[in-house]
Amino acid sequence: QQQVKQSPQSLIVQKGGISIINCAYENTAFDYFPWYQQFPGKGPALLIAIRPDVSEKKEGRFTISFNKSAKQFSLHIMDSQPGDSATYFCAASIGNNRLAFGKGNQVVVIP
Amino acid sequence: DTGVSQDPRHKITKRGQNVTFRCDPISEHNRLYWYRQTLGQGPEFLTYFQNEAQLEKSRLLSDRFSAERPKGSFSTLEIQRTEQGDSAMYLCASSLFYGQSSYEQYFGPGTRLTVT
Repeated sequence: QQQVKQSPQSLIVQKGGISIINCAYENTAFDYFPWYQQFPGKGPALLIAIRPDVSEKKEGRFTISFNKSAKQFSLHIMDSQPGDSATYFCAASIGNNRLAFGKGNQVVVIP
Repeated sequence: DTGVSQDPRHKITKRGQNVTFRCDPISEHNRLYWYRQTLGQGPEFLTYFQNEAQLEKSRLLSDRFSAERPKGSFSTLEIQRTEQGDSAMYLCASSLFYGQSSYEQYFGPGTRLTVT
């Protein structure tokens, strides 16, 4: 059973545009929600993470929006660049122990 | 480089052989995790250690899989009698657990296993 579900599966964005990836979770005990970026042949790299006591967190061009009542959170990539072309994974955990990952979203930023 | 390192980066083996992978975590991190990632999927949790103690194992981890972290530093993951279904990227991550809090997990580059 997929505990964390991502949408859309893939996304094509123009350079300078906004990429938005959504994630939904089932387990209300989850209390830590990170986003990872992965390039082909590499391990996932932590981008940004949020805890449910805040509704939004911003780091540079990356923003997480969190909706506890809807059990959803999303990643916004502002001013998308070709170097942002990668696969993005949302994840969730209880107490930042074992992470449950979504299936990933492939983002392609075209010049 | 002070990140998580894994060795080897690639391993090709024949079905039925045993393989062992090594992970060296970030030096001050006391937690170490193993995940497996197949093509087009997100990483799946396998097991994790706090210092040398193995605290949790996934039901995905069959009896053919064993992991150790003997001195609380590096860890090894061994797969015995490999099967073609074991072909995947094996990822290691480490984090700091301090007080009652566990901090961010940082991943290594992975070991890609191909079983022929």
